[in-house]
Amino acid sequence: DVKVTQSSRYLVKRTGEKVFLECVQDMDHENMFWYRQDPGLGLRLIYFSYDVKMKEKGDIPEGYSVSREKKERFSLILESASTNQTSMYLCASSWTGDVYGYTFGSGTRLTVV
Amino acid sequence: DAKTTQPPSMDCAEGRAANLPCNHSTISGNEYVYWYRQIHSQGPQYIIHGLKNNETNEMASLIITEDRKSSTLILPHATLRDTAVYYCIVYNNNDMRFGAGTRLTVKP
Repeated sequence: DVKVTQSSRYLVKRTGEKVFLECVQDMDHENMFWYRQDPGLGLRLIYFSYDVKMKEKGDIPEGYSVSREKKERFSLILESASTNQTSMYLCASSWTGDVYGYTFGSGTRLTVV
Repeated sequence: DAKTTQPPSMDCAEGRAANLPCNHSTISGNEYVYWYRQIHSQGPQYIIHGLKNNETNEMASLIITEDRKSSTLILPHATLRDTAVYYCIVYNNNDMRFGAGTRLTVKP
């Protein structure tokens, strides 16, 4: 089975801290994605990447950046965490043309205090 | 823009069929209809997808109308473990946009 692993299940950080959320997939997928999920808003796409060192903005990139130095790893960076970034963060990956769509990780619940 | 419309919530009795509707009136010819579900505190899980023919797998059936403007996900014998949020998505190999989905509650 494809596995998408997010490094932390729960994370508590202070306002102003730089936060790194890590995601690793083990099936050589080209594409990787970061979403955040908030009650009543569904999943919203933050950033995605179709290849190493490539990145594209999703619908809500403000306050975030990403890094993809290796194919299997896609990092989401909160440069200066704020309380409105408290959320569930979900990573996903896929092959281009994969008819089964995306495989998701279990999520990281980030609380910024 | 999620491009799909789903009811926010539905209930279903355990053992009965759960029929979850989705409208996607602006779907284009090369876009697939995908269904995912998300059980509390987990990442979304793929259920089924289709282009224009009806599809069935071990989890569910997908009925797509002839004009492709709407579809229905059918869980033939719902169990309590099917309680989840169900997302209908139109997708063609680009980034996948999720709406708010339908919260299905299966009741004993």
